[in-house]
Amino acid sequence: QITLKESGPTLVKPTQTLTLTCTFSGFSLSTSGVGVGWIRQPPGKALEWLALIYWDDDKRYGPSLKSRLTITKDTSKNQVVLTMTNMDPVDTATYYCAHSSIVAYDYWGQGTLVTVSS
Amino acid sequence: QSALTQPASVSGSPGQSITISCTGTSSDVGGYNYVSWYQQHPGKAPKLMIYDVSKRPSGVSNRFSGSKSGNTASLTISGLQAEDEADYYCCSYAGSSTYVFGTGTKVTVL
Repeated sequence: QITLKESGPTLVKPTQTLTLTCTFSGFSLSTSGVGVGWIRQPPGKALEWLALIYWDDDKRYGPSLKSRLTITKDTSKNQVVLTMTNMDPVDTATYYCAHSSIVAYDYWGQGTLVTVSS
Repeated sequence: QSALTQPASVSGSPGQSITISCTGTSSDVGGYNYVSWYQQHPGKAPKLMIYDVSKRPSGVSNRFSGSKSGNTASLTISGLQAEDEADYYCCSYAGSSTYVFGTGTKVTVL
């Protein structure tokens, strides 16, 4: 079955760079049509789409955070990495990675809470 | 790319039907038949309930249905049950392989 799990620091300081890893199983990111996306959710607030990487290494970013985000994949390790630069307290959120083989996200990780504070 | 607009809350009694709206623009909801809906219980990850406007993934109850008219998509829950109490989010494809989520709706079962 398909599973995804996010990992990374739980606390980062303002201005630092956040690096999150999504480790998955049950599918291959070299299969045509497959993608892995990142979505975040500040405490008590709505979901926000961040980024998506496809099997062919096509990468897409949400317009509001595009300048701060980089998404990469390591197919051999079954991992997708998201980096976000210049972190700010407003970036405090639960960050989710999710699988996509349709135009939707059908499998989600459990999420990881990242707090930005000095 | 602004968030899609959803009502903050919708409520209904057990057995009733409720509908959640999701309003976007011709650049997202109105431009593509790629609206999805997610259910999120407190402290849990979102769960896909509807994709491609009206398709249900395997295992999702047929009490959940989706539709779209113009720039507004809708999720209807029929035969409301206590377990349906959760937050619901719509999501639309917005072109160039980007997506936008809705503002979220809290469903309360009275």
